[in-house]
Amino acid sequence: DQQVKQNSPSLSVQEGRISILNCDYTNSMFDYFLWYKKYPAEGPTFLISISSIKDKNEDGRFTVFLNKSAKHLSLHIVPSQPGDSAVYFCAASQRSGTYKYIFGTGTRLKVLA
Amino acid sequence: ETGVTQTPRHLVMGMTNKKSLKCEQHLGHNAMYWYKQSAKKPLELMFVYNFKEQTENNSVPSRFSPECPNSSHLFLHLHTLQPEDSALYLCASSQFNGELFFGEGSRLTVL
Repeated sequence: DQQVKQNSPSLSVQEGRISILNCDYTNSMFDYFLWYKKYPAEGPTFLISISSIKDKNEDGRFTVFLNKSAKHLSLHIVPSQPGDSAVYFCAASQRSGTYKYIFGTGTRLKVLA
Repeated sequence: ETGVTQTPRHLVMGMTNKKSLKCEQHLGHNAMYWYKQSAKKPLELMFVYNFKEQTENNSVPSRFSPECPNSSHLFLHLHTLQPEDSALYLCASSQFNGELFFGEGSRLTVL
């Protein structure tokens, strides 16, 4: 059973507009969430994270929102740029020393110039 | 040196071969991981090592054998693999409760 789900395999957005990537999780014990970006032939790179004690975290053009009651998080990119075109993975973990990060299947974002 | 280095980047092997993937991290982290990425599947956690001790084995078949001689090096020994084991194998490291830093991956093809 997949504990972290990204139901949209792909998303296309016009340059300058907002990109919204969504992620759902089923395990209520998760308390730390991360977003990663992956270009072809490279490993994933860390983008932004959020702890369950917060509902929003912002870093430049990237903002992550967490809705614990809905077990849902989203990544907003604004304004979107062509260089943002990549696969985005969300991940979740319990920060109780398990070192176990569970990833979603990814969403391929294409930003059109 | 980049943070997490994986070698080789590409590997082609037959089902009867024995080969190894190597990972080295230069970040001073205490935990190291092997993940498998297959097409249209989530990144699958395979093994976790914390200070050289294995803390997670995610029901991985015994044809995959990890080795962690110290906190900076991690190996994945491969023997009698199947074609369905062809995938991108990603190594990562982290500090306690920190985010993962990934290597660029080793693309494995089993013929």
